[in-house]
Amino acid sequence: NAGVMQNPRHLVRRRGQEARLRCSPMKGHSHVYWYRQLPEEGLKFMVYLQKENIIDESGMPKERFSAEFPKEGPSILRIQQVVRGDSAAYFCASSPARLAGVVTDTQYFGPGTRLTVL
Amino acid sequence: KQEVTQIPAALSVPEGENLVLNCSFTDSAIYNLQWFRQDPGKGLTSLLLIQSSQREQTSGRLNASLDKSSGRSTLYIAASQPGDSATYLCAAPTSGNTGKLIFGQGTTLQVKP
Repeated sequence: NAGVMQNPRHLVRRRGQEARLRCSPMKGHSHVYWYRQLPEEGLKFMVYLQKENIIDESGMPKERFSAEFPKEGPSILRIQQVVRGDSAAYFCASSPARLAGVVTDTQYFGPGTRLTVL
Repeated sequence: KQEVTQIPAALSVPEGENLVLNCSFTDSAIYNLQWFRQDPGKGLTSLLLIQSSQREQTSGRLNASLDKSSGRSTLYIAASQPGDSATYLCAAPTSGNTGKLIFGQGTTLQVKP
């Protein structure tokens, strides 16, 4: 059973370009979470998605950032018009479907995408 | 609002020593708590998940405890090895049962041969 896959592992963009980060959850997992780790800072939650639904986007910056998890294919975190402050490691995690409405299972993390904005 | 704090921020020990990493959280109404390991430039590896109904969990040389009433969790590493050198993160879910995790800043452990 393959783990959480993220690509690319490293991404370099110039200011003003768009960055697209992809995450394929573990097989059988229907919940996806995106976290950001800024240099010298801890991991911060960004967004929680299920298939075709955004459940919680309270950690997403209001502008330039968007996320989706379509019925088919990977989850995508999209950053438009990147700025140097967007340089960070972006991690995706997945977990199985909830049991009786309660998330009790561990979240499995991918290797991350390290975004560098020049 | 859930806040998670880890102390110490860094720890250096000689090989073979037993050690304890501390994690505290402000909202005791959690349904689980997770400990992760992160190697430099890498992703997170889940070490232990403790459900709210449990007091501790063990995996090999690792033992994690959870005391909801005091808002504390500890990760005990027995007979430390150089390969244990990494950053250890604890994470607690935020209230609202969305699965969203709040992470501590981590404890960076160095085990010297």
